[in-house]
Amino acid sequence: KAGVTQTPRYLIKTRGQQVTLSCSPISGHRSVSWYQQTPGQGLQFLFEYFSETQRNKGNFPGRFSGRQFSNSRSEMNVSTLELGDSALYLCASSPTGGSTDTQYFGPGTRLTVL
Amino acid sequence: GEDVEQSLFLSVREGDSSVINCTYTDSSSTYLYWYKQEPGAGLQLLTYIFSNMDMKQDQRLTVLLNKKDKHLSLRIADTQTGDSAIYFCAESWNSNSGYALNFGKGTSLLVTP
Repeated sequence: KAGVTQTPRYLIKTRGQQVTLSCSPISGHRSVSWYQQTPGQGLQFLFEYFSETQRNKGNFPGRFSGRQFSNSRSEMNVSTLELGDSALYLCASSPTGGSTDTQYFGPGTRLTVL
Repeated sequence: GEDVEQSLFLSVREGDSSVINCTYTDSSSTYLYWYKQEPGAGLQLLTYIFSNMDMKQDQRLTVLLNKKDKHLSLRIADTQTGDSAIYFCAESWNSNSGYALNFGKGTSLLVTP
C-alpha cells in the first residue's frame, strides 16, 4: 500500500496570506489527523477528521481550519499567516481514529512564513 | 495535554545499546508509541505497546513499560550509525469525541563510530 502523501512538500508565504495544505491517507484509512511541529513547542495536535466530520480539535486559533472529502483526503487551511506559523505540518492517517488504531504519518509540508 | 517528558540528547558508540526514557502523563492511555524522525522526514512508527503489557520485543527494539511510575523506555540493541535520529515517545489521550497523540519533545540520538 502507498503511504500517506502530503502536498506540497515545501511552501513559502508572506505574513497575512493564506495557505492550503493537502493530505492523502493510506487507502482504506478514514481518519486523518493534523499536527504542527515547531522547535519550540514540539508536536502539537491540530485536529482530526473522520467521515468528513471534525471529531477532535486541539488548542489552536480559528485561523487554522480543515476539511475532509468523501474519498478521505483532507486539507488544512491557515488564514492570515503569522511568522509563528512557520512549521512542519504533519498529517497522519489511521483506519478509524480509535484508541486501538496506530497512526501513520506522511513526510510533512514545510511552511515558511516571511 | 500535559507534558510527556523525555531527555533531549543521548550519545552512544556504534555497537552499544541505547536506552531512551520517557515519562508519560495519562494512566488511561491505551497504547504508548515510539516514533523515529530522520532529518527532513516525517515520523516513522517504530513500535508500540499496549498498556496492559510490561514488555515488548521487536528485533533490536525492546520496550519496557512501568505503569506504576508511568515510565516507558526504548532500548535499541547493537546501535548503528543509521539509528541516529530523533525519537519521540507518544501517549494517546482521549477527548469526548476522539483521541489524539500527545508527544514528548523528542530525544536526539547520536551514534558515533
